[in-house]
Amino acid sequence: GAGVSQTPSNKVTEKGKYVELRCDPISGHTALYWYRQSLGQGPEFLIYFQGTGAADDSGLPNDRFFAVRPEGSVSTLKIQRTERGDSAVYLCASSLRDSGANVLTFGAGSRLTVL
Amino acid sequence: AQSVAQPEDQVNVAEGNPLTVKCTYSVSGNPYLFWYVQYPNRGLQFLLKYITGDNLVKGSYGFEAEFNKSQTSFHLKKPSALVSDSALYFCAVRGPNTNAGKSTFGDGTTLTVKP
Repeated sequence: GAGVSQTPSNKVTEKGKYVELRCDPISGHTALYWYRQSLGQGPEFLIYFQGTGAADDSGLPNDRFFAVRPEGSVSTLKIQRTERGDSAVYLCASSLRDSGANVLTFGAGSRLTVL
Repeated sequence: AQSVAQPEDQVNVAEGNPLTVKCTYSVSGNPYLFWYVQYPNRGLQFLLKYITGDNLVKGSYGFEAEFNKSQTSFHLKKPSALVSDSALYFCAVRGPNTNAGKSTFGDGTTLTVKP
C-alpha cells in the first residue's frame, strides 16, 4: 500500500480483556517495528521483525505482550489480560530493510484505552 | 545506553521569524540522528537525518539541522516559520551498530507558530 496502515484506530476495552492490533506495512518493506507512545512521551521501542522472525523483542514489557508476522507482511500485536497501564498509542513503522541509516515510515497509530 | 534530551516542551514563534528546536544526545560511537514531525491524528513523518558528512543537513519543508559533535547537539532550524509548521517534533538517535527500530526518541517539543 501507499503507507503504513494500522487498525483499529481506536480501541476501548476493559481491564483483563484480550486485544489485537494490526499493522499493514508498506509493500516490499521487510523490516517492521512496533512502538508504544504514552502521553507526553516519545515512542518507545517494543519489537522489531526482519521478515517473519522477531529479530529483537527486548522492548516488550512483559509476557502479556506478543507479536507475530507469519507471512512477512502484516503484523499483529497481541496483549493479554490488559491493564490500565497498557493505555497508550501503539505505533507501527516499516522500512525497506534494517540498516543503520534507514528512515522509518510510521502509521497513524492505534489508540488503546483500558478502563 | 543511548539517550535524547529535548529541553523545551514548547516553542512559540511568530510567523516569519526563525525557529530553533533543540536536541542533545548521548550515544556510543558516531551517531545517526533524525528529526520527525507529528501532526494531529497522523503518524510521525521523517524530516531529515544526519549520518555522516556535512554537519548542516537540509530536509523537507525548508527545515535544516546542524550536527555539533563537541556539544552533542542536533538542533532543528528554519529561517522563516509558517503557521503550518505548528506540530510536535521529535529528535531520535541511534548508534552505528544499533538496529533502526531501537532508535531512542526524545519526549517531543510542541512548536506553535502564531500569525
